[in-house]
Amino acid sequence: EPEVTQTPSHQVTQMGQEVILRCVPISNHLYFYWYRQILGQKVEFLVSFYNNEISEKSEIFDDQFSVERPDGSNFTLKIRSTKLEDSAMYFCASSRSDIGPYEQYFGPGTRLTVT
Amino acid sequence: KNQVEQSPQSLIILEGKNCTLQCNYTVSPFSNLRWYKQDTGRGPVSLTIMTFSENTKSNGRYTATLDADTKQSSLHITASQLSDSASYICVVSEQTGANNLFFGTGTRLTVIP
Repeated sequence: EPEVTQTPSHQVTQMGQEVILRCVPISNHLYFYWYRQILGQKVEFLVSFYNNEISEKSEIFDDQFSVERPDGSNFTLKIRSTKLEDSAMYFCASSRSDIGPYEQYFGPGTRLTVT
Repeated sequence: KNQVEQSPQSLIILEGKNCTLQCNYTVSPFSNLRWYKQDTGRGPVSLTIMTFSENTKSNGRYTATLDADTKQSSLHITASQLSDSASYICVVSEQTGANNLFFGTGTRLTVIP
């Protein structure tokens, strides 16, 4: 069964460093998403991406964040200058559509620890 | 303000027993409601999605109900198994688009032998 994959599973970085989190969505999906979940808190939407551009973003997704689909398979989230409060689980998700009760498939997540 | 509240926050049950998790929401206008299962350190996995016109949906031992009038949903798990130990998250969609998904904080279920 196809699934969303993410690498690395755990990333430790120092404050101020740039990190790139990678995702491989399900191959026939067209919509891609990033979410984050701070330990013990609810999942929060960051950004959605369709047709090689951002379709929606939340208030969390500020200028420090960017997303890219560098080739036909990968979808990346870059944090330019990490802060302590960026420490969280980051989940990538994909879906075939974003209309109606569309199904989103989540990856296993990348745990980002900023020290 | 669009919010999703879940109860209880945590629950411990014996293997083989049934349980019911609750979700109340204030999201409006309502589009659909989803229940996800999230194992520790893993991504959420969809259990059910219900639209306004559906008031019950089953997926194996999981049965979700929806009362759009009272803005309440429940997830009933029958004959619980140890592998059911996870967080169960209620997510309500206001309208089309991922930015309109409102997540609850989840109910942490522990099934013990």
